[in-house]
Amino acid sequence: DQQVKQNSPSLSVQEGRISILNCDYTNSMFDYFLWYKKYPAEGPTFLISISSIKDKNEDGRFTVFLNKSAKHLSLHIVPSQPGDSAVYFCAARLSSGSARQLTFGSGTQLTVLP
Amino acid sequence: ETGVTQSPTHLIKTRGQQVTLRCSSQSGHNTVSWYQQALGQGPQFIFQYYREEENGRGNFPPRFSGLQFPNYSSELNVNALELDDSALYLCASSLPRTNTGELFFGEGSRLTVL
Repeated sequence: DQQVKQNSPSLSVQEGRISILNCDYTNSMFDYFLWYKKYPAEGPTFLISISSIKDKNEDGRFTVFLNKSAKHLSLHIVPSQPGDSAVYFCAARLSSGSARQLTFGSGTQLTVLP
Repeated sequence: ETGVTQSPTHLIKTRGQQVTLRCSSQSGHNTVSWYQQALGQGPQFIFQYYREEENGRGNFPPRFSGLQFPNYSSELNVNALELDDSALYLCASSLPRTNTGELFFGEGSRLTVL
């Protein structure tokens, strides 16, 4: 039962263009949605998050959009840079008391071509 | 500020053996979570520790166990290793309440079971 899905295993974009990474979820109890970036041989690095009560959050070149009715979120990177090439994971948080559990998608490999 | 550190970085075990992985959380973070990342997959939640007690667990059998110490460092123990336990094991720390919901990950321990 995959509660968080990233249907595109890979994406290639030209430097300077927009990268759009997509994520779908099924559990309406998730209270936060997060994007992590992962380079080989490193742990995931937090990029940006959005509360379930908002529909947009922006941080520099990164913007996350949340469509709760469609249970869909997306990460926009503008402009894309070669250093953005990495695996991007979408994650959704479930909270119960003090317990915080992230459910991850399977990742999208982004390649930004110079 | 010291980040999340994990040891060992790589290890090889044989089926049926036991393994202990260690994690030092980020300074000031009193909540520690462990995740298993199989090849080509996103990280999967194993369990979380808060105030030295397990307060959340994913779909993993009891042979996966853990500890959290008064200094907030943590151990993951896996008994009776199986071939499918081969994976990257990630430790993440956090504060119990955050505005962004983020977890801070270490670089992981790569376990190979032969």
